[in-house]
Amino acid sequence: GQQVMQIPQYQHVQEGEDFTTYCNSSTTLSNIQWYKQRPGGHPVFLIQLVKSGEVKKQKRLTFQFGEAKKNSSLHITATQTTDVGTYFCAGGANFGNEKLTFGTGTRLTIIP
Amino acid sequence: DAGVIQSPRHEVTEMGQEVTLRCKPISGHNSLFWYRQTMMRGLELLIYFNNNVPIDDSGMPEDRFSAKMPNASFSTLKIQPSEPRDSAVYFCASSFKGTGTTDTQYFGPGTRLTVL
Repeated sequence: GQQVMQIPQYQHVQEGEDFTTYCNSSTTLSNIQWYKQRPGGHPVFLIQLVKSGEVKKQKRLTFQFGEAKKNSSLHITATQTTDVGTYFCAGGANFGNEKLTFGTGTRLTIIP
Repeated sequence: DAGVIQSPRHEVTEMGQEVTLRCKPISGHNSLFWYRQTMMRGLELLIYFNNNVPIDDSGMPEDRFSAKMPNASFSTLKIQPSEPRDSAVYFCASSFKGTGTTDTQYFGPGTRLTVL
């Protein structure tokens, strides 16, 4: 079945440093979504990417979808303590099929 | 909107007991998902419904697990009998399924289940 892996599993950064997490799918995706889960909380939707090579920005967050639609990345510029949490990518196999396969997640901790 | 509502928020039970987790999706949403999250296995999809009909239950671990959605505003996930390895956080999520899209999923706060 479809597998979605993320690296790194953990990342500790100094506040103000940049952070990147990478997501790789074993199969081609129709779309990819990113979610953030704060410690003790639940996943919260951040963004959806649909087009090959698509890049979207949300303030300090930049999301990319690979040309082959099998990988994606999330980059955070100048991290802040509010960025703490686990970031998940979630791949959709087909449009019209709502099933998402969640990645293994990257847990980000910030050193003040 | 109140968001997805789950109850109970915490459940501690003994091995062999029946456990029922409940979920109320966001009003107007027509798809509902049950996930299980553990440190070892991450976030796993157990089952999902569209218009109250189970569409994919391939993630349900075994016959001890069952899920129902009797109407558009309520779903249950039942474990009978429960085992210590079922200890996890169980999330319910809902979405509105349009045509030709994979829509945003809205997660509830989760139920933390501990089976002793």
